[in-house]
Amino acid sequence: QKEVEQNSGPLSVPEGAIASLNCTYSDRVSQSFFWYRQYSGKSPELIMSIYSNGDKEDGRFTAQLNKASQYVSLLIRDSQPSDSATYLCAAVSGGSYIPTFGRGTSLIVHP
Amino acid sequence: GAVVSQHPSRVICKSGTSVKIECRSLDFQATTMFWYRQFPKQSLMLMATSNEGSKATYEQGVEKDKFLINHASLTLSTLTVTSAHPEDSSFYICSARDYDSQYFGPGTRLTVT
Repeated sequence: QKEVEQNSGPLSVPEGAIASLNCTYSDRVSQSFFWYRQYSGKSPELIMSIYSNGDKEDGRFTAQLNKASQYVSLLIRDSQPSDSATYLCAAVSGGSYIPTFGRGTSLIVHP
Repeated sequence: GAVVSQHPSRVICKSGTSVKIECRSLDFQATTMFWYRQFPKQSLMLMATSNEGSKATYEQGVEKDKFLINHASLTLSTLTVTSAHPEDSSFYICSARDYDSQYFGPGTRLTVT
């Protein structure tokens, strides 16, 4: 059974710090990985996708992928209180288009 | 970017009635749409995958006769909750696939009284 694991948190960081969110996946043939942000009472919003080993940067966000370790992470630089949300990690296996979601990590950025 | 709309955003209905929720991809054609349900402080639960022009594929434990899904066109999928009961009260979210990414609608909060 395909699984995506995330620490539920909450992860609490001070404003301006780097928030590091981690995710592991069980299916070795997973090829596409996504990070979503979900504010309380709202639907998820796609913020990053990554397909190759290494880092991918987009503004304050950096996604990191290590397929050998089956590990995906999201770094948020200069964290702001508005980044406080639940972050969902998702993985899609090759040949499938149905993502497997983790349960999400709650991030709290305090002023 | 890819935009998905959902209507209505909020609905209150009486027990025993049916409710239809629409999901539209506004700026792209979605051959595949997904329907999720999320209870408070819980993770997303995939209910079904719908492909345009064919029957939806339901996840285990989801009653297909209760949750009717119709993907009539490349931009529209509908979810009808039939004979709704209070335990069906939840946040229903659709998403649409654009190439290899999935974009979510804003969700519909259903309350059954």
